[in-house]
Amino acid sequence: QMQLQESGPGLVKPSETLSLTCNVSGGSINSDSYYWGWIRQTPGKGLEWIGAIYHTGDTHFSPSLSSRVTMSVDGSKNHFSLNLHSVTAADTGVYYCARFYGGSGWGWGQGTLVTVSS
Amino acid sequence: EIVMTQSPATLSVSPGEGVTLSCRASQSVNVNVVWYQQRPGQAPRLLVYGASIRATGIPDRFSGSGSGTEFTLTISSLQSEDFGIYYCQQYTNWPALTFGGGTKVEIK
Repeated sequence: QMQLQESGPGLVKPSETLSLTCNVSGGSINSDSYYWGWIRQTPGKGLEWIGAIYHTGDTHFSPSLSSRVTMSVDGSKNHFSLNLHSVTAADTGVYYCARFYGGSGWGWGQGTLVTVSS
Repeated sequence: EIVMTQSPATLSVSPGEGVTLSCRASQSVNVNVVWYQQRPGQAPRLLVYGASIRATGIPDRFSGSGSGTEFTLTISSLQSEDFGIYYCQQYTNWPALTFGGGTKVEIK
């Protein structure tokens, strides 16, 4: 059974870059079946789509975040990564990575809390 | 961007009762809707995809329906483990997608 696990700093300073990695185990990130996505949940709010990446490197980002987001995938390490640039306190929240098949999030990581503060 | 609106924001329900959650899309999304359950402190879990197809291992007390712009998730008899927040999500322009704001199902 495929599992996902987020990792990265829990504290980021304002204006800096939030960087997270999602390690995939129990299956290959190079599968043609899946997109690999990032979703966040900010305090008091629901789920917000950040974007997704395919194993070829093809990406799609939420229009509201696209100017600040980059993603990458490393098939040799079986992981994919998120960079969110120029963060503010409004970017504080729990960040999830997930495996998407046909638009449905079939498997999610446990989530990692990222706080933006000086 | 397609907006997904869920109602009500909160439902207070007694164990054993049935509930129906609603989700409306700002434009037609055909049947490209999924439902997730999020228990406190946990990641979302896929319940239903394609508007009405239960995901693997999901009990049959959960049922989804709808097409176009109107969707519902019905839980026929609430168990203690069913309390949490439920989200709908559309993927009609995948890999673009949007989530609804969620409905919290709490114990009455």
